[in-house]
Amino acid sequence: ETGVTQTPRHLVMGMTNKKSLKCEQHLGHNAMYWYKQSAKKPLELMFVYNFKEQTENNSVPSRFSPECPNSSHLFLHLHTLQPEDSALYLCASSQDLGRQGFGSPLHFGNGTRLTVT
Amino acid sequence: AQSVTQLDSQVPVFEEAPVELRCNYSSSVSVYLFWYVQYPNQGLQLLLKYLSGSTLVKGINGFEAEFNKSQTSFHLRKPSVHISDTAEYFCAVSGLGGAQKLVFGQGTRLTINP
Repeated sequence: ETGVTQTPRHLVMGMTNKKSLKCEQHLGHNAMYWYKQSAKKPLELMFVYNFKEQTENNSVPSRFSPECPNSSHLFLHLHTLQPEDSALYLCASSQDLGRQGFGSPLHFGNGTRLTVT
Repeated sequence: AQSVTQLDSQVPVFEEAPVELRCNYSSSVSVYLFWYVQYPNQGLQLLLKYLSGSTLVKGINGFEAEFNKSQTSFHLRKPSVHISDTAEYFCAVSGLGGAQKLVFGQGTRLTINP
């Protein structure tokens, strides 16, 4: 049990489908993140939510749409994806300690392995 | 902006041998440094972190890392590895406070051979 739970663990979808990835954290954190992990590439930060407000959108295509209804839940809505979007999508959370706070480590979920056919 | 370079994409080591995984970073501001480990089919777990103070940081599973500001390095070491250490290791850097926008290196795959 990592404290950050992602569902589903695996997802196969066609390019015309619409699906959603879900993330839930049980750590009392107030910041949540979506990362994309592709083979042979560094982890790419996609979105950051801090106190339910989106604070970072790292030039992510609009076919990825995040939603953060509260500090414990984070969704990634997917539609009309491309085969190159196949990757491991990792959710993480951390405690935002303010601008002068110490580096608060991220706690990751086990990821959703997405395959776009 | 920060960046991280992990100099070795793969490191094969025999069991019980020492290992060093190299990490260099660049940043125009003070940084926090992290090492994460990813076992197969799992997310990333924090091994250790450097925030301030002593430059030698000890983490879980017998790993340690040394922050060297003049060489902008944060190399990870373990004096004697075990088969269970086989995993991918990621070095990461972030700036001050707030939500952590970690910048990761490309990872080093550590393979322990019996």
